[in-house]
Amino acid sequence: DVKVTQSSRYLVKRTGEKVFLECVQDMDHENMFWYRQDPGLGLRLIYFSYDVKMKEKGDIPEGYSVSREKKERFSLILESASTNQTSMYLCASSPPGQGSSEAFFGQGTRLTVV
Amino acid sequence: AQSVTQLDSQVPVFEEAPVELRCNYSSSVSVYLFWYVQYPNQGLQLLLKYLSGSTLVESINGFEAEFNKSQTSFHLRKPSVHISDTAEYFCAVSYNQGGKLIFGQGTELSVKP
Repeated sequence: DVKVTQSSRYLVKRTGEKVFLECVQDMDHENMFWYRQDPGLGLRLIYFSYDVKMKEKGDIPEGYSVSREKKERFSLILESASTNQTSMYLCASSPPGQGSSEAFFGQGTRLTVV
Repeated sequence: AQSVTQLDSQVPVFEEAPVELRCNYSSSVSVYLFWYVQYPNQGLQLLLKYLSGSTLVESINGFEAEFNKSQTSFHLRKPSVHISDTAEYFCAVSYNQGGKLIFGQGTELSVKP
């Protein structure tokens, strides 16, 4: 069974903390993505990566950074957490291609910033 | 800007009734279309997709969607829903940009007995 695993299902962090969200996939996929899910807004792309040590900004990168040191792992970093970053975060991976490939999602991390 | 619009945020229906969840996307020369489903407290999983060929695509659990290029739509339908279909449904589009998906706002389908 193919798998995308996010390290935490639920997180509670304080304003100003540096937060790491980890994602690991076991499908040897080149592409990895971080989305944020909010009610009424659907999923919005934060960052994505097509290869190790490569990253590109998505639609809402402000306040976030990412790291991809190994092919299977893609980390999302909140440099200084704020309450407006309280959300559900979803990681996904997909094989290389021009958009026709299915994306596989992790179960999500629900982050609350207090 | 490229976008996807799901016209209904919530759709309540009774069990065994038909349902249609609407999705429209901004026009493009080349597009791939997807429907994903999210059951409570879970991640998204692929329900069905249109890549090319027949404009009507089906899933294994009775859903179908029709690609309509002239109306830039990809509506999802099921002739008879079950309680277990209660979930949030997301329409997504890929504009041939290396796997990036653009999602709609989501539609919560609530099936009542």
